[in-house]
Amino acid sequence: EPEVTQTPSHQVTQMGQEVILRCVPISNHLYFYWYRQILGQKVEFLVSFYNNEISEKSEIFDDQFSVERPDGSNFTLKIRSTKLEDSAMYFCASSVLRLDSPLHFGNGTRLTVT
Amino acid sequence: KQEVTQIPAALSVPEGENLVLNCSFTDSAIYNLQWFRQDPGKGLTSLLLIQSSQREQTSGRLNASLDKSSGRSTLYIAASQPGDSATYLCAVDSSNTGKLIFGQGTTLQVKP
Repeated sequence: EPEVTQTPSHQVTQMGQEVILRCVPISNHLYFYWYRQILGQKVEFLVSFYNNEISEKSEIFDDQFSVERPDGSNFTLKIRSTKLEDSAMYFCASSVLRLDSPLHFGNGTRLTVT
Repeated sequence: KQEVTQIPAALSVPEGENLVLNCSFTDSAIYNLQWFRQDPGKGLTSLLLIQSSQREQTSGRLNASLDKSSGRSTLYIAASQPGDSATYLCAVDSSNTGKLIFGQGTTLQVKP
C-alpha cells in the first residue's frame, strides 16, 4: 500500500540553525499538510498546501516556517532559526481530496533542538 | 474555537472484551470526524472517517458513531486483541481545509 515517507527520522540541531524536514506524499494525492506533536501534547495543525500555495496556516506557522514543493514528489518544511520550543515530532500528511478524504500520515521526524 | 476531548485518557482491558472510546467536540459545525491509531514512535494510521451527514462507519471489528448535535463520537472495538494496544486519536475537520483538530488520545492496553 502506498505510504507517506519522511526523512530524516530524527534530526538534532542547535538553536538558531536552519532545518529542512522532507516528505514524499502519496503520488496521486493533491493536498499536503504538516502537523506537529510536542511530547505529551496534542497533535497540532501547522499548514495545508495545495496547487503550490498555502491553503491555511495556524498561528504556530509564523515567519520562521516555510513550505515548498520543489519538484513533483517532495514536500518540505523549513524552519529558519530553530528555537528550543520547536522540539517536537513533525508529521507530514497527504490526502486525495480536501473534503471527506482521510489523511495519510508519515512516521514523522523527531526534531530535537539543543 | 473548536476543542476536542477524549475520555478516558488510558484504558486497560483483558483480551476479548468489547470496549468503547469516547470523543467529544465543542462546536457541532463539522465536516467530518476521523479516528486514528498511533503506535509508539510511529505516525498516525487512519481508521475511520465519518462524514457530517453520516451516523456511523464500520471497518472490521471497529465501529465509529457520530452524533453531531450532541458533539459526540464513539469508537467501538469488538473482541479486543493485544495487537489493538495503541493510542487512539479522534480529530474533527471544522473548516473544510483538511485542518484537523485533535483530541489528546486514549491509550489502550489489551492484556493477553
